[in-house]
Amino acid sequence: EAQVTQNPRYLITVTGKKLTVTCSQNMNHEYMSWYRQDPGLGLRQIYYSMNVEVTDKGDVPEGYKVSRKEKRNFPLILESPSPNQTSLYFCASRPLTGGNQPQHFGDGTRLSIL
Amino acid sequence: KQEVTQIPAALSVPEGENLVLNCSFTDSAIYNLQWFRQDPGKGLTSLLLIQSSQREQTSGRLNASLDKSSGRSTLYIAASQPGDSATYLCAVPRGNRDDKIIFGKGTRLHILP
Repeated sequence: EAQVTQNPRYLITVTGKKLTVTCSQNMNHEYMSWYRQDPGLGLRQIYYSMNVEVTDKGDVPEGYKVSRKEKRNFPLILESPSPNQTSLYFCASRPLTGGNQPQHFGDGTRLSIL
Repeated sequence: KQEVTQIPAALSVPEGENLVLNCSFTDSAIYNLQWFRQDPGKGLTSLLLIQSSQREQTSGRLNASLDKSSGRSTLYIAASQPGDSATYLCAVPRGNRDDKIIFGKGTRLHILP
C-alpha cells in the first residue's frame, strides 16, 4: 500500500531533550515536506526537499533541522525542543515527474513539549 | 506575499443540499491549486488539483473551479452527505513554482443528518 509513515504518532517530552520524528514514504517520490498545524494558524511549511541531499526552508524553519540522505526518508529533528514547538506535525510527499501531482500526507505526529 | 483565505471558517448545512466552499488568494501567478480534506485526528487527503492552465476539475460529486484573474477558487459539493463532514483546505504554491506551499486555514463543514 502506498503510504507516508510518521513515527511516533504521539510524544510528550521535556524542554531541551533532543528528538527526531521520522517520515518514510514507499512511493519513490522526489519531493518531501514537513508542516506544522496549530489552531488559528493553520498549516505552515517547515522544510521541504526536492530530492536526496537537497533541502530548503519553508515559512517556519526556526528550531528545526532536516536531512535527506535517502530518497524514502525525511526526518525532522528538534535539537532543543521548546514549548512553542508543541504542535501537530505532518509529513508529505509527491513525485516531481509526470506533471502536477498531489501531495500524499502522513497521519500526523502530535508533539507536546513541557 | 501570497495569502490564502477561506471563508466561512465553519458551515453547517442539511444533508442533501448542494454547497460551495470558497478560497481566495492574493497572488494570481500560481502554479496550481489543490483542495484537501482533513478528518479529525487524521492527515490530509487530496481531493482535486487544478493546474494553472485549467478552469475546473471534477471528481464524483466534487467540482473545483479556478479563476486566477480574480484570485478565487470554489469547491462545489453536490448532494451533500453526513460523510462529507470534515475540514476542507485549499493550498497554492508560493509564486510560480511548486515547492513552497501556502495553505488556507480551512472551512469546517458539518452536514446535518
